[in-house]
Amino acid sequence: NAGVMQNPRHLVRRRGQEARLRCSPMKGHSHVYWYRQLPEEGLKFMVYLQKENIIDESGMPKERFSAEFPKEGPSILRIQQVVRGDSAAYFCASSPLPPLVGTEAFFGQGTRLTVV
Amino acid sequence: DAKTTQPPSMDCAEGRAANLPCNHSTISGNEYVYWYRQIHSQGPQYIIHGLKNNETNEMASLIITEDRKSSTLILPHATLRDTAVYYCIVRVPGGSEKLVFGKGTKLTVNP
Repeated sequence: NAGVMQNPRHLVRRRGQEARLRCSPMKGHSHVYWYRQLPEEGLKFMVYLQKENIIDESGMPKERFSAEFPKEGPSILRIQQVVRGDSAAYFCASSPLPPLVGTEAFFGQGTRLTVV
Repeated sequence: DAKTTQPPSMDCAEGRAANLPCNHSTISGNEYVYWYRQIHSQGPQYIIHGLKNNETNEMASLIITEDRKSSTLILPHATLRDTAVYYCIVRVPGGSEKLVFGKGTKLTVNP
């Protein structure tokens, strides 16, 4: 059973470009979470999605950031018009549906975005 | 905000047991205690979780006090590869609630 797959692992974008980060959850998992980790800081929740639905986007910046988790294919975190402050590691986690006692979320290895 | 309090850093000698404490005095009856760790620049790794009974797996043991207001993660024989930031999290199990990470404990295992 493959783990959570994130790609690309490293992404370099110039200021003003778009960044698109992909996350394929573990097989059978229908819940996806995105986290951001700025250099030397902790993990900050961004958004929680189920298939085709955004459940909690309380951690998403109001502008330039969007996320989706379509019926088919990976979850996508999109950052438009990137700025240097967007440089960070972005981690995706997944957990199964339906919720079971004691289930845990599994994380991918992250995408490191560098804005130059 | 995180519902847990952990010391910012700890040191441990290689081969010795590492005991990482966590306070969660406001934990509710249906919340579990989860432990994750993040080895430098990698994605967080699940370690163990429990409700009220002590738990053990191949990675670690989790000791939860009877009043459930605190817990201790035990790595019985720490190795250099256990150097990481360890996060204690309380949550209702399942996918309906996000994991909220605090600042964790930076454990350094020394040779």
